Amino acid sequence: EPEVTQTPSHQVTQMGQEVILRCVPISNHLYFYWYRQILGQKVEFLVSFYNNEISEKSEIFDDQFSVERPDGSNFTLKIRSTKLEDSAMYFCASRGTGVGGEQYFGPGTRLTVT
Amino acid sequence: AQSVTQLGSHVSVSEGALVLLRCNYSSSVPPYLFWYVQYPNQGLQLLLKYTTGATLVKGINGFEAEFKKSETSFHLTKPSAHMSDAAEYFCAVSTYDMRFGAGTRLTVKP
Repeated sequence: EPEVTQTPSHQVTQMGQEVILRCVPISNHLYFYWYRQILGQKVEFLVSFYNNEISEKSEIFDDQFSVERPDGSNFTLKIRSTKLEDSAMYFCASRGTGVGGEQYFGPGTRLTVT
Repeated sequence: AQSVTQLGSHVSVSEGALVLLRCNYSSSVPPYLFWYVQYPNQGLQLLLKYTTGATLVKGINGFEAEFKKSETSFHLTKPSAHMSDAAEYFCAVSTYDMRFGAGTRLTVKP
């Protein structure tokens, strides 16, 4: 069964450093998402991406964040200058076509900023 | 705009008892509704979903949920709790994008 994959599973970085989180969505999906979950808290929407551009982003997704689909398979989230409060689990998700379809989630990348 | 409210951040039941996790939503268009389960240090696993059609949907592990448009609710139930059901449960509403509730932590006592 196709699945969303994410690498690395755990990333440790120092405050102020740039990190890139990588995701490989399901191959025929068209909509891509990033979510964040701070330890013990809810899953928060960050950004959605469709047709090679951002379709919606939350207040969390400020200028420090960017997303890219550099080739036909990868979908990346870059944090330009990490802060302590960026420590969280980051989930990638992808969806096929149509409104309201199920999003398939990757296993997540745990980002720890020290 | 869409949003989800989960009533009760923590629910505790005895093994064998009924599980009821409450979810209310708001959506400007007909919603698609989901319940996800998250075990410690793991990702999100889909339990069940409502898109269209039958309002009572059955999911994995014996869970089911009923979509009630008049009450804007999508409560999750299971007739008999098992120890392995202990986890965090998230309700979500989706149109083009998905929004999650704050989650309900289910504890099952022996």
